[in-house]
Amino acid sequence: NAGVMQNPRHLVRRRGQEARLRCSPMKGHSHVYWYRQLPEEGLKFMVYLQKENIIDESGMPKERFSAEFPKEGPSILRIQQVVRGDSAAYFCASSQPDREYYEQYFGPGTRLTVT
Amino acid sequence: AQSVTQLGSHVSVSEGALVLLRCNYSSSVPPYLFWYVQYPNQGLQLLLKYTTGATLVKGINGFEAEFKKSETSFHLTKPSAHMSDAAEYFCAVTPTPGTGGFKTIFGAGTRLFVKA
Repeated sequence: NAGVMQNPRHLVRRRGQEARLRCSPMKGHSHVYWYRQLPEEGLKFMVYLQKENIIDESGMPKERFSAEFPKEGPSILRIQQVVRGDSAAYFCASSQPDREYYEQYFGPGTRLTVT
Repeated sequence: AQSVTQLGSHVSVSEGALVLLRCNYSSSVPPYLFWYVQYPNQGLQLLLKYTTGATLVKGINGFEAEFKKSETSFHLTKPSAHMSDAAEYFCAVTPTPGTGGFKTIFGAGTRLFVKA
């Protein structure tokens, strides 16, 4: 059973470009969470999605950031017009749609560098 | 609102010595509690969790943690450190079912160094 997959693992973007980060949850998992980790800091919750629904996006910056989890395909975190402050590691986690919802399995992360 | 405090951003121990990483939480209702480990350039791996039942929980790699409601703590311990334990450790809390919300809150992390 493959774990949570994220790609790309490393992404370099110039200021003003768009960044697209992909996350494929574990088989059977329909809950996806995105977190951002700045250097020397813990993970900060960004958004919680279920298939075709955003459940909680209280951690998402109001502008330039969006997330989706379509019926088919991976979850996408999209950052438009990136700035240097967006440089961070972005982690995706998934969980099952039942009483074990709180047990999250993490992907290896995407390290975004904005030059 | 829930919060997590990890005391000590860096902890250094000798190989074979006791490991103690501290975690305190703030929550109006006792949450579910977790410890994760992160090795360099990797994602987080679950070490152990407390949801209900026995307050002393055992995890992988010889780690264990005890939930103390009166102290709002969930400290992580290991009797004898190994070089391979050197990593970053994160304490996290999640609201219990029915209390509202699904957001997991992470502490800032504690980097464990193990000296030979």
